[in-house]
Amino acid sequence: KAGVTQTPRYLIKTRGQQVTLSCSPISGHRSVSWYQQTPGQGLQFLFEYFSETQRNKGNFPGRFSGRQFSNSRSEMNVSTLELGDSALYLCASSITGTETYEQYFGPGTRLTVT
Amino acid sequence: GENVEQHPSTLSVQEGDSAVIKCTYSDSASNYFPWYKQELGKRPQLIIDIRSNVGEKKDQRIAVTLNKTAKHFSLHITETQPEDSAVYFCAARLNQAGTALIFGKGTTLSVSS
Repeated sequence: KAGVTQTPRYLIKTRGQQVTLSCSPISGHRSVSWYQQTPGQGLQFLFEYFSETQRNKGNFPGRFSGRQFSNSRSEMNVSTLELGDSALYLCASSITGTETYEQYFGPGTRLTVT
Repeated sequence: GENVEQHPSTLSVQEGDSAVIKCTYSDSASNYFPWYKQELGKRPQLIIDIRSNVGEKKDQRIAVTLNKTAKHFSLHITETQPEDSAVYFCAARLNQAGTALIFGKGTTLSVSS
């Protein structure tokens, strides 16, 4: 079974621009969570989607948004980019069943804002 | 909301020694606690997890213990090898509504031969 995939793997953007990142979960997984990883803050939760609905949201400004499609693929968007948005953005998928919580990560998208 | 503290931030051991990483959580309702290993330039990999109805779980050289009363859980690695060198993250399930996780800040483990 193929793992979680993310595109693109690397991005360089300028302050003020916007960016869209994509995540394809493991086949059969219906939940997708997004995390921001930086050296100083570690792994911080952004949001979680299940069945095209946002189920949980972390403590990030409204410039960060996401969505999920009917095939469980998910996108996240960051508008008005700031230098501090430079980070590795990871998505993770889970099957979401009774007593099933395991999350599996994609390789991440490395975003650099200049 | 849930908060996870992880200690130590760095840990250096000799090959063959044991390593212990400790985490505390704030939400007494949390019921799922995974550990991830992240090697340089790679994605976090789930290495072991424990549910709140279990006190200890082992998988070869790796074990995790959970103390619900004290709200802390620990990762134990025995007979460490150089390939165990990585950053280890503990996490707790955010809430009962989904599978989102709150992570500790990570522990950089270095195993020297």
